[in-house]
Amino acid sequence: DVKVTQSSRYLVKRTGEKVFLECVQDMDHENMFWYRQDPGLGLRLIYFSYDVKMKEKGDIPEGYSVSREKKERFSLILESASTNQTSMYLCASSLLWSPLHFGNGTRLTVT
Amino acid sequence: AQKVTQAQTEISVVEKEDVTLDCVYETRDTTYYLFWYKQPPSGELVFLIRRNSFDEQNEISGRYSWNFQKSTSSFNFTITASQVVDSAVYFCALLHGSSNTGKLIFGQGTTLQVKP
Repeated sequence: DVKVTQSSRYLVKRTGEKVFLECVQDMDHENMFWYRQDPGLGLRLIYFSYDVKMKEKGDIPEGYSVSREKKERFSLILESASTNQTSMYLCASSLLWSPLHFGNGTRLTVT
Repeated sequence: AQKVTQAQTEISVVEKEDVTLDCVYETRDTTYYLFWYKQPPSGELVFLIRRNSFDEQNEISGRYSWNFQKSTSSFNFTITASQVVDSAVYFCALLHGSSNTGKLIFGQGTTLQVKP
């Protein structure tokens, strides 16, 4: 079974802090994704990566950056957290054309 | 433009009722994939089904069934004899053929509440 692990289930950070959300997958998948989930808006793609050191912007990349130094790890970085980044963050991985496998999510609150 | 619309925001039914979750998609591609995911209260999205655009056969898996109709660009999901454990948020998603990265486009989600 594919396992996608997000390092934190809940996070509370202050406005202006730099925040790191970590995601690790154990199935050697090329593709990794960071989505944000908000009520009424569904899942919106922030960034994705299709190979080590490769990244592409999704639909809402503003205020975020990512890092993929190793195939199994994909980090989402909030350079300076703001209250409008309070949300549920979901990491996923996949092979091309295959279903995405999701982690349990990180609920981030920025105060 | 690629888009997925789930017009039903919330549905509430009583246990043992049948319920259909609607999904309408837009794409110009002739090759694409459609997905359904379930998100229970625990938060993790669980893959339910994938359908490619060349296979319009309906699919049944236990109490779950899916109706894919290209003529109406719909991929509806029916739960027969619903149970409390079916309570979750359900997402429909599209992977279009011109994507070479596996990037899914999700609908807004439908929250299903099954009451005992």
